[in-house]
Amino acid sequence: EADIYQTPRYLVIGTGKKITLECSQTMGHDKMYWYQQDPGMELHLIHYSYGVNSTEKGDLSSESTVSRIRTEHFPLTLESARPSHTSQYLCASSGAGGNNEQFFGPGTRLTVL
Amino acid sequence: AQKVTQAQTEISVVEKEDVTLDCVYETRDTTYYLFWYKQPPSGELVFLIRRNSFDEQNEISGRYSWNFQKSTSSFNFTITASQVVDSAVYFCALSGNNAGNMLTFGGGTRLMVKP
Repeated sequence: EADIYQTPRYLVIGTGKKITLECSQTMGHDKMYWYQQDPGMELHLIHYSYGVNSTEKGDLSSESTVSRIRTEHFPLTLESARPSHTSQYLCASSGAGGNNEQFFGPGTRLTVL
Repeated sequence: AQKVTQAQTEISVVEKEDVTLDCVYETRDTTYYLFWYKQPPSGELVFLIRRNSFDEQNEISGRYSWNFQKSTSSFNFTITASQVVDSAVYFCALSGNNAGNMLTFGGGTRLMVKP
């Protein structure tokens, strides 16, 4: 069973606020990912990391930023939230070796008013 | 470029019916991996199965079965005797020959099982 955690699960916040979505995993996985999920279900990769001090942008352009200072921790930050950022954000991690499955956290549902 | 197509956006069945979710993929990689994930209403994605491109053996796990056919580039998922708890969105995904375990997801199929 995967041990990957996200907080908060739900967040309602006003426009212009700075927010950080937390993601932690206890599996020692090197690879971690952030996805944004539209209401219409499709998943879009917005950030990923191969390990400590490694971060890359994903397929979908995002105004968010990420950091990877510790293996187990991969937070996502929005400096100034806007209504267009309203979405579900899913964090995932994957073990060493090629083509291992990704394990997902429970997600954060963000609403920006 | 890789692509995963789940042509069925929504399927509705009555409990105890069998249902098949279709997945068609495109890739130029000779080695690749296919996955199915389940997303219940609570929101998390639950890993169901991984299949390697060089292993076309079908797999059965309880009421779930998967049919992988390289000739038609398909990796279909069948639920036998569906239950209300099977109601969820199901995603098919593809990972090519990359070290980052990057996934290409299909658009998802929403399955509704009615009592």
